[in-house]
Amino acid sequence: TQLLEQSPQFLSIQEGENLTVYCNSSSVFSSLQWYRQEPGEGPVLLVTVVTGGEVKKLKRLTFQFGDARKDSSLHITAAQPGDTGLYLCAGPTTGTASKLTFGTGTRLQVTL
Amino acid sequence: KAGVTQTPRYLIKTRGQQVTLSCSPISGHRSVSWYQQTPGQGLQFLFEYFSETQRNKGNFPGRFSGRQFSNSRSEMNVSTLELGDSALYLCASSFGRVGEKLFFGSGTQLSVL
Repeated sequence: TQLLEQSPQFLSIQEGENLTVYCNSSSVFSSLQWYRQEPGEGPVLLVTVVTGGEVKKLKRLTFQFGDARKDSSLHITAAQPGDTGLYLCAGPTTGTASKLTFGTGTRLQVTL
Repeated sequence: KAGVTQTPRYLIKTRGQQVTLSCSPISGHRSVSWYQQTPGQGLQFLFEYFSETQRNKGNFPGRFSGRQFSNSRSEMNVSTLELGDSALYLCASSFGRVGEKLFFGSGTQLSVL
């Protein structure tokens, strides 16, 4: 069974601080996705990383896929209240089409 | 284009009842996946339908079932509801290719009393 563990589970920071969220597995994933979910809504895809060692930037968010494709990280620079939400990593389950295994989630709160 | 639409948004049922949830995917998408989200277990895969056929299934009891119609709209049914079935049920649509982006609806919040 493929599992994705995220850390930390909860994070409460002030506006302007930097943070990193980790997504780890003992299994290799062909790709990993990062989603953000706001209260009362479904998850929204932020990025997909495909190649081991790949780094992708989305404004103040930097995503990295581990060289062995077993882990990923999300770094947010100068966090803003609008970054508040539940961050989820997800990867395709081996041998299936669109079935995703989701990580345990990191709940981020950014206050003024 | 219109997003994924789930109805109803909220539902309150009592133990032993059954419930049907509906999901209309984005036009052109042939795959609809269903997920259960709870605070304790996170997002767990229920099943996926592609072109009216169940293509993948998660580890849920047979009380959870689904179907997909020729227009790609999907329904999921939960029979003999239990307290532990209280959750946010999310559906996601896509073209059905491996590792592609999923578009999620806002979910149906089910409370079982």
